[in-house]
Amino acid sequence: ETGVTQSPTHLIKTRGQQVTLRCSSQSGHNTVSWYQQALGQGPQFIFQYYREEENGRGNFPPRFSGLQFPNYSSELNVNALELDDSALYLCASSFGPLNEQFFGPGTRLTVL
Amino acid sequence: QQQVKQSPQSLIVQKGGISIINCAYENTAFDYFPWYQQFPGKGPALLIAIRPDVSEKKEGRFTISFNKSAKQFSLHIMDSQPGDSATYFCAASKAGTASKLTFGTGTRLQVTL
Repeated sequence: ETGVTQSPTHLIKTRGQQVTLRCSSQSGHNTVSWYQQALGQGPQFIFQYYREEENGRGNFPPRFSGLQFPNYSSELNVNALELDDSALYLCASSFGPLNEQFFGPGTRLTVL
Repeated sequence: QQQVKQSPQSLIVQKGGISIINCAYENTAFDYFPWYQQFPGKGPALLIAIRPDVSEKKEGRFTISFNKSAKQFSLHIMDSQPGDSATYFCAASKAGTASKLTFGTGTRLQVTL
């Protein structure tokens, strides 16, 4: 059984660019949640996907968007990058929205 | 608005000592309270979690104490070891879900020899 995997590990972008981050959920998990963790802070909930539909969203602007695919893997897209978007982006998967979730190692995004 | 407040920000404990980290929440709709451990360069890993129908839960050296009336919960690490040195986050979620977590700001624990 493989855990949650994320790609890429690190990414450097410039302000105004767009970025796509990817997540493969743990085997058997159909729910993926994305979190943003700024340096020295706790993770903040961005949104959740359950069976390919958005199932809840945190306090993030519409330029943060996502997708979930039929195999339950997921993408996080961020448009018009800002300096404050520099953070560790974490993906977590679970079997259903009610159950405990397991985190991947994250993607470190740096916006210059 | 910070819905889960965590303290202290950092903690130094001697090997064999007890580490105590505290959290307070505001939203009475929260009904799932996990603690996560995060090592540098890694994602958070679930340590232990509690729901408000019990006041204490123990798993090995880790214990959660929960005070529903005070809206507070704490993590106790007994016999702290150098390998416990990490950042610890409390979190909370509501409506019967264990996901869509609201996290505290984290406590950096250092266990010295």
